[in-house]
Amino acid sequence: DAKTTQPPSMDCAEGRAANLPCNHSTISGNEYVYWYRQIHSQGPQYIIHGLKNNETNEMASLIITEDRKSSTLILPHATLRDTAVYYCIVRVNNQGGKLIFGQGTELSVKP
Amino acid sequence: GAVVSQHPSWVICKSGTSVKIECRSLDFQATTMFWYRQFPKQSLMLMATSNEGSKATYEQGVEKDKFLINHASLTLSTLTVTSAHPEDSSFYICSARGPSSQGQGNQPQHFGDGTRLSIL
Repeated sequence: DAKTTQPPSMDCAEGRAANLPCNHSTISGNEYVYWYRQIHSQGPQYIIHGLKNNETNEMASLIITEDRKSSTLILPHATLRDTAVYYCIVRVNNQGGKLIFGQGTELSVKP
Repeated sequence: GAVVSQHPSWVICKSGTSVKIECRSLDFQATTMFWYRQFPKQSLMLMATSNEGSKATYEQGVEKDKFLINHASLTLSTLTVTSAHPEDSSFYICSARGPSSQGQGNQPQHFGDGTRLSIL
């Protein structure tokens, strides 16, 4: 299973872009990268996912390096409500496509 | 779209009782559902994967006779914690994924808001 490495914590000023890095150097060619976030005492919220190309939706942008060994989640204008634990996950293609959560990055958005 | 409802949101019960938690996909058919457990200040730990109409696949170290999973329809899965004890107290979270046209494909999982279980 491809594992991911994320910094345990990051701070970001309100209104600025938050760039959350993730390393997944053992990713296989057909494995997707997913990003979720979890606000305290709630279930994880899906943010975005991608395979090779950069992706953007109403929540965030996902930048995947050409060799696919790392990616960056970008929240373009962070708000206090974006304070959460952000998980970068490489989905296992077999065994039902399960998501194995690591420790994630605890993002604190400060006024 | 893609709403997953989990019920109850919290439950307190006495040691030795069994507790059933329901997970429903409200606006899509969930061919695969997942059950996770989360202890305070820790990440989510996958307990089992279930496909509609099939027996669940449990992760290593998870007792299948302790945690009974039923996925009898495309919109409902249940987790029953049998003979619960204080060490079973935790935050239980389900997730659901719809069908994909490309094998495992890239459909995201959508999560419920979790059930906080406290065993006295």
